[in-house]
Amino acid sequence: DQQVKQNSPSLSVQEGRISILNCDYTNSMFDYFLWYKKYPAEGPTFLISISSIKDKNEDGRFTVFLNKSAKHLSLHIVPSQPGDSAVYFCAASASNTGNQFYFGTGTSLTVIP
Amino acid sequence: EAGVVQSPRYKIIEKKQPVAFWCNPISGHNTLYWYLQNLGQGPELLIRYENEEAVDDSQLPKDRFSAERLKGVDSTLKIQPAELGDSAVYLCASSTMTGGKETQYFGPGTRLLVL
Repeated sequence: DQQVKQNSPSLSVQEGRISILNCDYTNSMFDYFLWYKKYPAEGPTFLISISSIKDKNEDGRFTVFLNKSAKHLSLHIVPSQPGDSAVYFCAASASNTGNQFYFGTGTSLTVIP
Repeated sequence: EAGVVQSPRYKIIEKKQPVAFWCNPISGHNTLYWYLQNLGQGPELLIRYENEEAVDDSQLPKDRFSAERLKGVDSTLKIQPAELGDSAVYLCASSTMTGGKETQYFGPGTRLLVL
């Protein structure tokens, strides 16, 4: 049973525009969420995280929004750059389950120059 | 600071053969994870170590998979015998706590192909 879902396998965006990557989860006990970025032949790289006590966390061009009532989070990248082209995974964990992380299936972002 | 190191990066074996993967976590990271990633999927946990103790191995297929982290630093993951369905990327990660929250750092992975 997939507890973290990324329903869009791919996304193409023009350079300079906003990229919005979405993630849904089913477990209401999740209280910590992360986004990872993965280039081909490399392991995932931590990008940004958010705790359930917040609804927004911003780091430079990257902002993560959390809507707990909808069990939905999104990653906004603005402005998008060609170097942002990668696969993005969202992950979630619950404090009361020993910090096991559950990953989505990933969204492949292509930023078109 | 060196990242998580994994070797080999690629491995091709015939089915029923054994295979082993090695991971060296980031220095000072007590928690180590092994994940399995199939094509088009996210990483799935196989086993988690706190120092040398396996604290979560519920997802590890113990009939053919084994892991160890004898001195609480490096770890090895073994498959014996390998099956065709084991072809995947095997990721190792180590973690640290930042602001009371855990962040995992991944190695480049070992891509296994079982023929």
